[in-house]
Amino acid sequence: GDSVTQMEGPVTLSEEAFLTINCTYTATGYPSLFWYVQYPGEGLQLLLKATKADDKGSNKGFEATYRKETTSFHLEKGSVQVSDSAVYFCALSGNTDKLIFGTGTRLQVFP
Amino acid sequence: ETGVTQSPTHLIKTRGQQVTLRCSSQSGHNTVSWYQQALGQGPQFIFQYYREEENGRGNFPPRFSGLQFPNYSSELNVNALELDDSALYLCASSLGDRGRRDTQYFGPGTRLTVL
Repeated sequence: GDSVTQMEGPVTLSEEAFLTINCTYTATGYPSLFWYVQYPGEGLQLLLKATKADDKGSNKGFEATYRKETTSFHLEKGSVQVSDSAVYFCALSGNTDKLIFGTGTRLQVFP
Repeated sequence: ETGVTQSPTHLIKTRGQQVTLRCSSQSGHNTVSWYQQALGQGPQFIFQYYREEENGRGNFPPRFSGLQFPNYSSELNVNALELDDSALYLCASSLGDRGRRDTQYFGPGTRLTVL
């Protein structure tokens, strides 16, 4: 069945460092891909999405490109801030509307 | 435009009891999905309701049931609670149509603790 694999955390960075969180997926057909962010004690917020191959989703300085050839959707940010500290979830939506999530990657940014 | 809201925020129950969680979808959305997020894990799909009918179900036992009302708000009911049901329950709404995938927007969740 469809699945999502994320790099394990925590990822610990200093402020203004470059961020990459790896995400790969397995799916039949052409899924839509998403990154959601969860701040402590809160629900999930949509960060960005891409619906077809080579699409680039972007928001708040974060970017991810839908790479069908490598079945990947890696999240990147050029300069992280302390306020970016959260758990990041990669997810896909395949032939049905349900979202399939990875296990999440905790990001900790220190000043 | 109001976002997705859930109630209650926190809930403590004992094993064997029953619980009802509630969700109000975002204005204009007709589809509600429920997810269970165990501590340290990603959310797991429970089921989805589209225009008051169940539209897909994940790998959860029948004691997990749901309902969607004409105003598209929804309830999640769990009977015969077990300790492993302790989790954050997330509701997400979207403007769906059969055969079309739309972005899901999540509420803040209900934290259920089963003792």
